[in-house]
Amino acid sequence: AQSVTQLGSHVSVSEGALVLLRCNYSSSVPPYLFWYVQYPNQGLQLLLKYTSAATLVKGINGFEAEFKKSETSFHLTKPSAHMSDAAEYFCAVCPGGTSYGKLTFGQGTILTVHP
Amino acid sequence: DADVTQTPRNRITKTGKRIMLECSQTKGHDRMYWYRQDPGLGLRLIYYSFDVKDINKGEISDGYSVSRQAQAKFSLSLESAIPNQTALYFCATELAGDPDTQYFGPGTRLTVL
Repeated sequence: AQSVTQLGSHVSVSEGALVLLRCNYSSSVPPYLFWYVQYPNQGLQLLLKYTSAATLVKGINGFEAEFKKSETSFHLTKPSAHMSDAAEYFCAVCPGGTSYGKLTFGQGTILTVHP
Repeated sequence: DADVTQTPRNRITKTGKRIMLECSQTKGHDRMYWYRQDPGLGLRLIYYSFDVKDINKGEISDGYSVSRQAQAKFSLSLESAIPNQTALYFCATELAGDPDTQYFGPGTRLTVL
């Protein structure tokens, strides 16, 4: 069984500041990990995914995440926030090594960006 | 045109009514999923289908049923709607050759009074 915990349901940053959204996971097998973003009144879009290759994963819109097995973490970062980054972000985990797309999502983190 | 469409986008219904939410896709993906989203709970899987003849229950399937009419269509039904089924419902698709990358529709906001 797998699970995901996102630390902080709301994160607020100033435009130009570092964005850090935290995600910890548990999985009985080596996991695949994902970050999705949901803009208001839209479905989810994939930001990036880790599938056991490089531990530092780069995604769209300047986001990246680092897989740290020892910490069971997959935190999402962006060096400089933009107003357009305001959205809800979801971390998700899936059993790795299977062609079995059964994702387990975290509860979501709402990112607010202030001018 | 959107690759994954959901109809209706918004629906208000009454307790006990039967309701169907529809999902269509033009991506040619064989796998389709239904999720519900509740504030503070993230997305939870209701049903998933790996092809037309393969349908599986997710973690919260009670009170729901599905039909995979064709590769491109996957419908979710609430046989007798209840207020705690008020939620945002998402359909998603996935290509078997690119596992775990799911593409989401815009969602259906369902309110059960």
